[in-house]
Amino acid sequence: SAVISQKPSRDICQRGTSLTIQCQVDSQVTMMFWYRQQPGQSLTLIATANQGSEATYESGFVIDKFPISRPNLTFSTLTVSNMSPEDSSIYLCSVDRASSEQFFGPGTRLTVL
Amino acid sequence: EDQVTQSPEALRLQEGESSSLNCSYTVSGLRGLFWYRQDPGKGPEFLFTLYSAGEEKEKERLKATLTKKESFLHITAPKPEDSATYLCAVMTTDSWGKLQFGAGTQVVVTP
Repeated sequence: SAVISQKPSRDICQRGTSLTIQCQVDSQVTMMFWYRQQPGQSLTLIATANQGSEATYESGFVIDKFPISRPNLTFSTLTVSNMSPEDSSIYLCSVDRASSEQFFGPGTRLTVL
Repeated sequence: EDQVTQSPEALRLQEGESSSLNCSYTVSGLRGLFWYRQDPGKGPEFLFTLYSAGEEKEKERLKATLTKKESFLHITAPKPEDSATYLCAVMTTDSWGKLQFGAGTQVVVTP
């Protein structure tokens, strides 16, 4: 398995501000992913975070809104920019091991007022 | 378009009452089907990955099976601690590492 930590675990933010979420893994991994889970909903993939290259975004998600950094093989950040109440969700990072197992962090619960 | 559908949406069981959850999928090519358990306020916990029709995997009271169109998660003699939302997800052959999730089945097991 993989031990994944996220910071912060939760936050309450004001409309128009930005929040950066950190994801730390206990071992080097090639692929890291960021997901969003809106209230009462399932998980939706935001983007794939690749070390040494630009993140790859899914349809409906853009870099200006969700900039991602991947400075090394154990760490990534996701920023939620210019937030609105519709951004209130749980944000989760995950790591993939050769497409056979994918492990998730504990999530960051974001509330935007 | 790839689709993942889980049923039922919710399931209420008596302790010891076995049941099955369904995950039907329509994809261009399946690399793997994943099952997760999610407790309130927590990230999904990995349970199984299935790769080909006919494959089965077991973990304690859980058993996952796979056909060409669907997967079942069987819960045998459930206990209250099995209460959780169970999610299935597919990874396709043209989307390395990316998971597409179903809506989940919320399971409540009462003593």
